[in-house]
Amino acid sequence: GAVVSQHPSRVICKSGTSVKIECRSLDFQATTMFWYRQFPKQSLMLMATSNEGSKATYEQGVEKDKFLINHASLTLSTLTVTSAHPEDSSFYICSARGSAANTEAFFGQGTRLTVV
Amino acid sequence: GQNIDQPTEMTATEGAIVQINCTYQTSGFNGLFWYQQHAGEAPTFLSYNVLDGLEEKGRFSSFLSRSKGYSYLLLKELQMKDSASYLCAVTDSNYQLIWGAGTKLIIKP
Repeated sequence: GAVVSQHPSRVICKSGTSVKIECRSLDFQATTMFWYRQFPKQSLMLMATSNEGSKATYEQGVEKDKFLINHASLTLSTLTVTSAHPEDSSFYICSARGSAANTEAFFGQGTRLTVV
Repeated sequence: GQNIDQPTEMTATEGAIVQINCTYQTSGFNGLFWYQQHAGEAPTFLSYNVLDGLEEKGRFSSFLSRSKGYSYLLLKELQMKDSASYLCAVTDSNYQLIWGAGTKLIIKP
């Protein structure tokens, strides 16, 4: 199957700093990319959906100024957590899919963010 | 609004069969996916249904009824490694993926 690479897999940062997470589709063109957050023992929560070249669509309750999403090319999307706080500590996962309706979403490996 | 419902948690015995249901109400329908997610890992694709009927893939089968807005994932000959969360997701008319909250499946010896 297609490969989506997410980097870094783990990051520890100080409170108040910003962290950038990259999501790359390695062997297909990702028309749409999704960013999720998952707290321990909870299900995936969709944060935002981004289409290449367009502004991301954020889910209700997700601060777009805090979670900056860029999807400038068909193979790369980034999520920047700005002014991170301990409550932002979570597992962040990206997924990417092509344009056809029957294409599954391929997931990155996830990023474990710990804000200290 | 768009909604996908699946049970929060299920328990089954090793070697048995379990059926995880998913009902959906979405604006349009362009396919339904099932994913498996082990704790601390990213979800992995299990199946895709767009036409009514049963799709069998080894120990796992997935069924779809579009008229009823209903799908199920059937797991046979359960193994301990099948303990995971199972996520149902539907592609709507805008090709957006709508996710269910997931069903945590606990397998007991």
